[in-house]
Amino acid sequence: DQQVKQNSPSLSVQEGRISILNCDYTNSMFDYFLWYKKYPAEGPTFLISISSIKDKNEDGRFTVFLNKSAKHLSLHIVPSQPGDSAVYFCAASVETSGSRLTFGEGTQLTVNP
Amino acid sequence: DTGVSQDPRHKITKRGQNVTFRCDPISEHNRLYWYRQTLGQGPEFLTYFQNEAQLEKSRLLSDRFSAERPKGSFSTLEIQRTEQGDSAMYLCASSSWNQGAQTDTQYFGPGTRLTVL
Repeated sequence: DQQVKQNSPSLSVQEGRISILNCDYTNSMFDYFLWYKKYPAEGPTFLISISSIKDKNEDGRFTVFLNKSAKHLSLHIVPSQPGDSAVYFCAASVETSGSRLTFGEGTQLTVNP
Repeated sequence: DTGVSQDPRHKITKRGQNVTFRCDPISEHNRLYWYRQTLGQGPEFLTYFQNEAQLEKSRLLSDRFSAERPKGSFSTLEIQRTEQGDSAMYLCASSSWNQGAQTDTQYFGPGTRLTVL
């Protein structure tokens, strides 16, 4: 049972344009959502998070949007830079239950110069 | 560097051998997590400690796997009688519960890559 899904295995964008990564979830108990970036042979690096009481959170070039009714979240990166090329994972947790993270499969983002 | 550290970074072993990995969390974090990641997949939860207490274990954690966090600081993950299917990246994360925001952001270490021949 894949409770968090990232349906796009890969995304390619031009430098300076917007990157939009999408994530869907099925468990309505999830109340905290995170995005991580991962380079090969490294651990995931925390990017940005959002609580279920909000629908948007912004940090510099990164914005996460949460649509609870659709059980959908997205990460916007504007403007995209070549250094953003990595695998992006969305993750979700139930904060009141020990906070184990459930991850999606990841999306490989490639930003072309 | 005050991030999460893991040792070793790489381990190659023969099937049937025992292996042990170590994780040192961020010093003020009271929660510590172990995850496993295989190629093309996201990390999967294995187990979680709050201080020295192991509060949750995934069904992925067979009886060949054991984890400890004896003094509520570093943690070890041991795999006994390794199998080829145990080959994966083993990730450790730590966090500290934010009472005000009611959130718990996990920060990951670099991982230990296990190869079982």
